[in-house]
Amino acid sequence: ETGVTQTPRHLVMGMTNKKSLKCEQHLGHNAMYWYKQSAKKPLELMFVYNFKEQTENNSVPSRFSPECPNSSHLFLHLHTLQPEDSALYLCASSQVGQGVNSPLHFGNGTRLTVT
Amino acid sequence: DQQVKQNSPSLSVQEGRISILNCDYTNSMFDYFLWYKKYPAEGPTFLISISSIKDKNEDGRFTVFLNKSAKHLSLHIVPSQPGDSAVYFCAASAHGAGNMLTFGGGTRLMVKP
Repeated sequence: ETGVTQTPRHLVMGMTNKKSLKCEQHLGHNAMYWYKQSAKKPLELMFVYNFKEQTENNSVPSRFSPECPNSSHLFLHLHTLQPEDSALYLCASSQVGQGVNSPLHFGNGTRLTVT
Repeated sequence: DQQVKQNSPSLSVQEGRISILNCDYTNSMFDYFLWYKKYPAEGPTFLISISSIKDKNEDGRFTVFLNKSAKHLSLHIVPSQPGDSAVYFCAASAHGAGNMLTFGGGTRLMVKP
């Protein structure tokens, strides 16, 4: 149990579908993140939310739309994706603040396949 | 351009011996470095970290060494155990960048019994 739960674990969707990835953290952290891991590439930061406010959008296409309704929940809404968007999507949380360098705690990821 | 590089995609070590995983970085603003370990079908888990004010940090069988002048860090695992077989990611962050980590591509460690 990592303290960060992601659902679903696997998702197959067509290019015209709309789906959402869900993440919930039970660690009392105040920051949440979406990372993408494509085959043979490093983990890429997509979005950062500090205290429910989006503080980073790492040049992510608009077909990915994050939502953070509170500090414990994070969503990634997907629509009109492309096959190259197939990847492992990882959610993470951490505690941020002045002088705090809390390591990121990751969920187990959602393996997304776009057909 | 990758700012954090792990040039060895894989490493094979005999049980009981030392495993040394290497990581190089280019951004001189990085001042905090972490190692994560990832098993298949699981997310990365935090292993050990080091701040740029130190050159060594030890936690049990795991030691991280930082050479700032060379912009190089390494993770030593001794003695290596079969359960250590996983993909190891090096990550770095810059002061003022919060916890936005830049990751290396990972090294797959295989510890043979």
